[in-house]
Amino acid sequence: KAGVTQTPRYLIKTRGQQVTLSCSPISGHRSVSWYQQTPGQGLQFLFEYFSETQRNKGNFPGRFSGRQFSNSRSEMNVSTLELGDSALYLCASSFDPSGTTKQYFGPGTRLTVT
Amino acid sequence: QKEVEQNSGPLSVPEGAIASLNCTYSDRVSQSFFWYRQYSGKSPELIMSIYSNGDKEDGRFTAQLNKASQYVSLLIRDSQPSDSATYLCAVPPNTGNQFYFGTGTSLTVIP
Repeated sequence: KAGVTQTPRYLIKTRGQQVTLSCSPISGHRSVSWYQQTPGQGLQFLFEYFSETQRNKGNFPGRFSGRQFSNSRSEMNVSTLELGDSALYLCASSFDPSGTTKQYFGPGTRLTVT
Repeated sequence: QKEVEQNSGPLSVPEGAIASLNCTYSDRVSQSFFWYRQYSGKSPELIMSIYSNGDKEDGRFTAQLNKASQYVSLLIRDSQPSDSATYLCAVPPNTGNQFYFGTGTSLTVIP
């Protein structure tokens, strides 16, 4: 079974621009969560989607948004990029949103904002 | 108070030794606990899950859970240089997949 895929793998943007990242979960998995990882803050939860609905949202500004499609693929968007948005963005998929099922991470998208 | 706390290390052990990684959490109702391994420049990889008090063994890895003390640990027996990585403890809330991650413990196994 194929793992979680994320595109693009690397991205360089300038301040003020916007960016869209994509995630395809493991086949059969319907829950997709997004995390931001930085050296200083570690792994921080962004949001979780299940059945095209956002179920949980972390403590991030409204510039960070996401959505999920009917095939469970998910996208996240960051508008008006800031230097501090430079990070590894990780998508994780799981079968359901119960909190007891295992989450599997994709390879991540490395975003650099200059 | 942080949801999940880990000793950031770095932890160094000689090859063949037992590495012990510890994690405490604040949510008393948490029901499941996960350990991830993250190599430098890579994404986290799930290596262990534990749901009940006691020990769970999988090859060279043993996860230990004590819900009364809100403590979960990971033991790596016969440590190998390939075990050198950062180990992340993850604790989801009672419902939902909003996992709380510790900051990770950096482990170096010295040949």
